[in-house]
Amino acid sequence: GAVVSQHPSWVICKSGTSVKIECRSLDFQATTMFWYRQFPKQSLMLMATSNEGSKATYEQGVEKDKFLINHASLTLSTLTVTSAHPEDSSFYICSAWGLAGPSYEQYFGPGTRLTVT
Amino acid sequence: DQQVKQNSPSLSVQEGRISILNCDYTNSMFDYFLWYKKYPAEGPTFLISISSIKDKNEDGRFTVFLNKSAKHLSLHIVPSQPGDSAVYFCAASVGNEKLTFGTGTRLTIIP
Repeated sequence: GAVVSQHPSWVICKSGTSVKIECRSLDFQATTMFWYRQFPKQSLMLMATSNEGSKATYEQGVEKDKFLINHASLTLSTLTVTSAHPEDSSFYICSAWGLAGPSYEQYFGPGTRLTVT
Repeated sequence: DQQVKQNSPSLSVQEGRISILNCDYTNSMFDYFLWYKKYPAEGPTFLISISSIKDKNEDGRFTVFLNKSAKHLSLHIVPSQPGDSAVYFCAASVGNEKLTFGTGTRLTIIP
């Protein structure tokens, strides 16, 4: 079946540093990738939508200069949290939209736990 | 503005009985609805979906019902099994792309 991987699965960083999270579709090409954030006991909130080769579309309230998204190829998107602060600590999940079966589906990665100290 | 709501944060059901999880939405443009199962520190796993042209979709133990006039959908799991214990999210989209998630319901199956 379709697999989406994320790396790293967890990361701890110091306040003020930047962290890059990778999202890869392993056995299909993803025309669109989505980045979500989930705070404890809350829903998954869409942060941005990225299409290969073009600028990401950010949801209202998400700072594009803080959360840099690069969708360099049809199988890789990266999210860089710049100048991270403790309030950025969260569970970040990517999903890849593509044709890995009979129809287009959105496949989710396993998530990345970010802790900013 | 929470466009997709799951009003029950938790639900406990006896093993073997039916689990019914509910979801309400406000955006009448939504035309595709999905249910996901999620364990802590993992990504969501797709369970079942339904298009707005249908009112019921069944897959094994899972059935999703859609009531468009009430803007309400529900997920029925029967019979419930201990492995079904997880957090369940409903999600809605326009055209099966950008998803709007509900707040989740934690289902606990009691052996």
